[in-house]
Amino acid sequence: DAGVTQSPTHLIKTRGQQVTLRCSPISGHKSVSWYQQVLGQGPQFIFQYYEKEERGRGNFPDRFSARQFPNYSSELNVNALLLGDSALYLCASSLFGGSQETQYFGPGTRLLVL
Amino acid sequence: AQSVAQPEDQVNVAEGNPLTVKCTYSVSGNPYLFWYVQYPNRGLQFLLKYITGDNLVKGSYGFEAEFNKSQTSFHLKKPSALVSDSALYFCAVRDPSTGTASKLTFGTGTRLQVTL
Repeated sequence: DAGVTQSPTHLIKTRGQQVTLRCSPISGHKSVSWYQQVLGQGPQFIFQYYEKEERGRGNFPDRFSARQFPNYSSELNVNALLLGDSALYLCASSLFGGSQETQYFGPGTRLLVL
Repeated sequence: AQSVAQPEDQVNVAEGNPLTVKCTYSVSGNPYLFWYVQYPNRGLQFLLKYITGDNLVKGSYGFEAEFNKSQTSFHLKKPSALVSDSALYFCAVRDPSTGTASKLTFGTGTRLQVTL
C-alpha cells in the first residue's frame, strides 16, 4: 500500500511569492496534519484537518493556510514568502486524528526561499 | 504547554554495543509518547509509542523504550546497534488534555552514529 505522498519534492521560490504544497494521505486515513521542519530543528505543528475542517492550528502567521478536499487530500498554502519559510514541510496522516493514533509522515517538500 | 528535551545532540556507539537515546518530557496531563527516525532526505518513520500499560514498549527494528513517569523520561534503547541504525532520532509528546488531539511536539533530535 502506498504511504503518504507529497508533491513537489523540491521547490525554489523568491521572497514575496506564494506557494502551494500538496499531500495525499494513506488510503482510508481521514486526518491530515502539516509540520514545518527547519534545518537542525524538530518538526513544528502547523495545522490539523479532519473531515475537511480545521481541528488545530499551531503558532504560525496568517500567511499560512490549508484546506482538505473530499478525497482527504490536502494543500498547504504560504503567501508572501519570507527567507525564514525555507524548510522541509511534512504532511502526516492518521485514521481519525485521535490523540492515541500514530501519525504516518510523507517524505516532505523541501522549500527554498531566495 | 507540552515540551520535549533531547539533551544529546549526538550519540556515538560501536556496532554491537547497546545504545540509549535520551528523552524527557513535560506535559500537564498524562503523556502519549512517540519515537520517530529520520534518514537523510527522508520523512519521519514511526518506531514506537507509549499510550498506557506496560512501561517497556517494543517497536520496529529491535528498538524499545522505557516510560518512567517519576523521571518524566522516555529513553530509546536497543541491545545491539547496527551501522544501519545511524540516523536522526526524534522524541515527540502529545498531551491529550489539550484541545488539539493530533498535535505532536517534537524534540530537537539526536543524531546517532554507529561505527564499526
